[in-house]
Amino acid sequence: SAVISQKPSRDICQRGTSLTIQCQVDSQVTMMFWYRQQPGQSLTLIATANQGSEATYESGFVIDKFPISRPNLTFSTLTVSNMSPEDSSIYLCSVEVGFEAFFGQGTRLTVV
Amino acid sequence: RKEVEQDPGPFNVPEGATVAFNCTYSNSASQSFFWYRQDCRKEPKLLMSVYSSGNEDGRFTAQLNRASQYISLLIRDSKLSDSATYLCVVNSWGKLQFGAGTQVVVTP
Repeated sequence: SAVISQKPSRDICQRGTSLTIQCQVDSQVTMMFWYRQQPGQSLTLIATANQGSEATYESGFVIDKFPISRPNLTFSTLTVSNMSPEDSSIYLCSVEVGFEAFFGQGTRLTVV
Repeated sequence: RKEVEQDPGPFNVPEGATVAFNCTYSNSASQSFFWYRQDCRKEPKLLMSVYSSGNEDGRFTAQLNRASQYISLLIRDSKLSDSATYLCVVNSWGKLQFGAGTQVVVTP
């Protein structure tokens, strides 16, 4: 199993600012995943973060908007840059151990 | 068309009753299937994997129908604590695809 500590748990931010979300895993993992979950919708993969290389972004997500760091095998950050109200969502980090996905507690972001 | 589709519900279920719901997936090459449970304002957690032969875990039974490309979840003897959103998750070539979830509300 894996235990992920994600913070902040929630934030209210002004449009145009940036927020960095952190995830710390209790074990070393090759890949970490960042998802967005909008109300009533499915989790959408933003990017996959590998240690030592640039993150791989899914269609519709770009590095300038969602820069990711992966300095080591237990930690990653996602930044939501130049925020607009459309970025209001829940952001989740995730790792896979065996076939099971484990998630951080989520960051509930509101942009005003 | 979405990769994974679920009836959003809510399914209002009297305590002790049985509820069942399905999830359809579009990629016939999908390799593995799961049901996750997500409580309000919490992260998703694995409920059970779904095997071709069908599998049971206590009051929960999961089935996979590859020919029709759907999986199902059945909850017997519903408890109040079963109230949650159930996410269908499909693994296609190493990438997880999530349904939007089926909300189940168990009432006294």
